[in-house]
Amino acid sequence: NAGVTQTPKFQVLKTGQSMTLQCAQDMNHNSMYWYRQDPGMGLRLIYYSASEGTTDKGEVPNGYNVSRLNKREFSLRLESAAPSQTSVYFCASSEWVTGLGETQYFGPGTRLLVL
Amino acid sequence: AQSVAQPEDQVNVAEGNPLTVKCTYSVSGNPYLFWYVQYPNRGLQFLLKYITGDNLVKGSYGFEAEFNKSQTSFHLKKPSALVSDSALYFCAVRDGGDSSYKLIFGSGTRLLVRP
Repeated sequence: NAGVTQTPKFQVLKTGQSMTLQCAQDMNHNSMYWYRQDPGMGLRLIYYSASEGTTDKGEVPNGYNVSRLNKREFSLRLESAAPSQTSVYFCASSEWVTGLGETQYFGPGTRLLVL
Repeated sequence: AQSVAQPEDQVNVAEGNPLTVKCTYSVSGNPYLFWYVQYPNRGLQFLLKYITGDNLVKGSYGFEAEFNKSQTSFHLKKPSALVSDSALYFCAVRDGGDSSYKLIFGSGTRLLVRP
């Protein structure tokens, strides 16, 4: 199993450009998440999808949109990129298991630079 | 509101010595607590978690953590540090009464193990 995969690994955008970050998981998990990681701030939740067909805002959703395309795929879109969106973006997925709770598994990340 | 504090930006320890990485939390309900490790240019890897049961939790690579409800702490420990343990460590908490599965991360602690 590949686990959680993300594309691209690295991207440079100019201010105002748009792009979509792709995420896929092969663990048949119901829940998927998008985080951003900034120095000294840990990871902050942008959006999450508790199950196929549902999405909800996290802590820092402004400037982003998401699509839960199917159970495997959860994409993050920046409609008009801003320098403040320069960050490392992580996708994660999880599943609740009775007696064991739920653990989030992370992809390798996408490093985004907005000039 | 949920929150996690990792009071040390960096922990330095000599190889072979015990290590502790500190974490305190605040949630309104029962806490679900997690430790993740991040190696350079990689995603987060799950180390261990506390959901319920024994306060001492054992995880990957010889790490363990102790849940202390009265001190609202979940410190990560290892009896004998290895140089290869050098990485960025994140503590995270979820409110067990929150159905959204949202994790709140601390700001991270860099562990440096010197030979």
